[in-house]
Amino acid sequence: QQQVKQSPQSLIVQKGGIPIINCAYENTAFDYFPWYQQFPGKGPALLIAIRPDVSEKKEGRFTISFNKSAKQFSLHIMDSQPGDSATYFCAAGWEAQKLVFGQGTRLTINP
Amino acid sequence: EAQVTQNPRYLITVTGKKLTVTCSQNMNHEYMSWYRQDPGLGLRQIYYSMNVEVTDKGDVPEGYKVSRKEKRNFPLILESPSPNQTSLYFCASSLGTDMNTEAFFGQGTRLTVV
Repeated sequence: QQQVKQSPQSLIVQKGGIPIINCAYENTAFDYFPWYQQFPGKGPALLIAIRPDVSEKKEGRFTISFNKSAKQFSLHIMDSQPGDSATYFCAAGWEAQKLVFGQGTRLTINP
Repeated sequence: EAQVTQNPRYLITVTGKKLTVTCSQNMNHEYMSWYRQDPGLGLRQIYYSMNVEVTDKGDVPEGYKVSRKEKRNFPLILESPSPNQTSLYFCASSLGTDMNTEAFFGQGTRLTVV
């Protein structure tokens, strides 16, 4: 199965809170797990990515947690800001350059 | 500036009238692909190309055609558009290595078929 299931569909958090977006996959051949951030009127842009040989990766306020045995990974945003309000997509990749995307999460950070 | 450029950004057309959405990248990337974005469905791949003259179907190829005559260009062709092809379309490019690398997306083309 090539599907990636993402939840929640939408999320509202107060400024400074820690939104968490979850993704689950079935295909154990996936070996690349990126998160993309999309602002209105723009194309998605790579935010952070992880490979299955590590359980966590942090870049600034963004952290990916990866659980290989559960086939799940999640995005955490520390000290969230209104400027983080966007749609977030998880994805999973296999072979060269093949990606399948989750359904997307619309995140709103209230001031 | 490294970028993926799509044209047009917005397009309203009628059922059955052939149209082409252009995509061009200036990063010398080998891999290019087209996605459509629909609410609740995320991004679904339509077609992809590993290099010049090499194209293959993605997850939702029905009703679409592509060509890759030059490395930098990857146009999406709708020979006979139908209302169910109303969507937001994105072109993307990435390095053609044997490992997944960052995909760079264009700004999107919002297509309405009436």
